[in-house]
Amino acid sequence: ETGVTQSPTHLIKTRGQQVTLRCSSQSGHNTVSWYQQALGQGPQFIFQYYREEENGRGNFPPRFSGLQFPNYSSELNVNALELDDSALYLCASKGGGAKDEQFFGPGTRLTVL
Amino acid sequence: GESVGLHLPTLSVQEGDNSIINCAYSNSASDYFIWYKQESGKGPQFIIDIRSNMDKRQGQRVTVLLNKTVKHLSLQIAATQPGDSAVYFCAEIPTGGYNKLIFGAGTRLAVHP
Repeated sequence: ETGVTQSPTHLIKTRGQQVTLRCSSQSGHNTVSWYQQALGQGPQFIFQYYREEENGRGNFPPRFSGLQFPNYSSELNVNALELDDSALYLCASKGGGAKDEQFFGPGTRLTVL
Repeated sequence: GESVGLHLPTLSVQEGDNSIINCAYSNSASDYFIWYKQESGKGPQFIIDIRSNMDKRQGQRVTVLLNKTVKHLSLQIAATQPGDSAVYFCAEIPTGGYNKLIFGAGTRLAVHP
């Protein structure tokens, strides 16, 4: 166990809906990153939050947005869901060092119908 | 749980044999590389890392080799065990980045008794 938790475990939505996924980082970790993993592929970086500010973003449209709270937990919000958004969404937390190990949660499996 | 790597290349080995998993990375400016193991239904788990100023690093039963000339990374697992069966990803972090992990395509390791 990494100490990173995510909720919910599974989620089914329909096209056009909005979804919020949640992540609790490991104790003491102030950086959270979100990744999208399509079936059979490696995770793709969505964005990273450090001390409640987004400080890096991958090649994802603006309908993917996030928040980080003072306790360093985080949310990923996706608006106007598309079928291709079906994937495993992973969050990873790390401490304050430049290259500290990132610890992944178990992920949320999102299915868009 | 669902399968992480339905269409990934597969390396099949006998229990007790050594395994070698290869990865080509994309960015010559990357200065930090990590191998992750992902079991079905779980997030990626850190195995071993290596910085660009090193050619080789050893852990417990695992060795990572880095060839910067051809941008190639390999993971060697000694005395492979059934518990090693999983999908393995290499990941790189570009220099000056904000710890964004760029994952490779992944390889499924199947260990047979």
